[in-house]
Amino acid sequence: DTEVTQTPKHLVMGMTNKKSLKCEQHMGHRAMYWYKQKAKKPPELMFVYSYEKLSINESVPSRFSPECPNSSLLNLHLHALQPEDSALYLCASSALTAGEAFFGQGTRLTVV
Amino acid sequence: DQQVKQNSPSLSVQEGRISILNCDYTNSMFDYFLWYKKYPAEGPTFLISISSIKDKNEDGRFTVFLNKSAKHLSLHIVPSQPGDSAVYFCAASGLDSNYQLIWGAGTKLIIKP
Repeated sequence: DTEVTQTPKHLVMGMTNKKSLKCEQHMGHRAMYWYKQKAKKPPELMFVYSYEKLSINESVPSRFSPECPNSSLLNLHLHALQPEDSALYLCASSALTAGEAFFGQGTRLTVV
Repeated sequence: DQQVKQNSPSLSVQEGRISILNCDYTNSMFDYFLWYKKYPAEGPTFLISISSIKDKNEDGRFTVFLNKSAKHLSLHIVPSQPGDSAVYFCAASGLDSNYQLIWGAGTKLIIKP
């Protein structure tokens, strides 16, 4: 199993809503990531979890809140988002923080 | 300051011919380089990587070449197929990026029938 599974695939939310994005991998990877990608741009790193501990937060606004319940799961809790937060949110995992990362298919988020 | 540069936003290649995608980097501390392929509205797919101790790595139709003195790497796809049409991202990592991936801007490859 070399998959990273993200749910939902699409999400439309209002600026007052609270929602969560979910990510799961069963490759035994101990590093997991959240990226944000806007159209025609490279992925932009948001958070890195290493051994279920947050190791990097790239100055992401507090309306994005990551959570790593166990070594296979990664969540991203969303609250009071802005329309400019609309983007493709990608989860990735890797065996270590060095080396190739495997990406999920992403959640297309639209904030209205 | 962009540490990883892909200077060609797009590239058009005839089906069956060789596609060559280029990437330059400025940080001599990078020691691992990767190529990802991305279709619209999907996550990037890992293609091939190379460590700085090598100058070439091959996997099927894909070959990556690394020229450390020129701080340049390239991805060769031979022969090019219609399914290769996608955006290709070069990424690099090293000790002083805490081994996080530093991405290029991407090159859109279009394979013409």
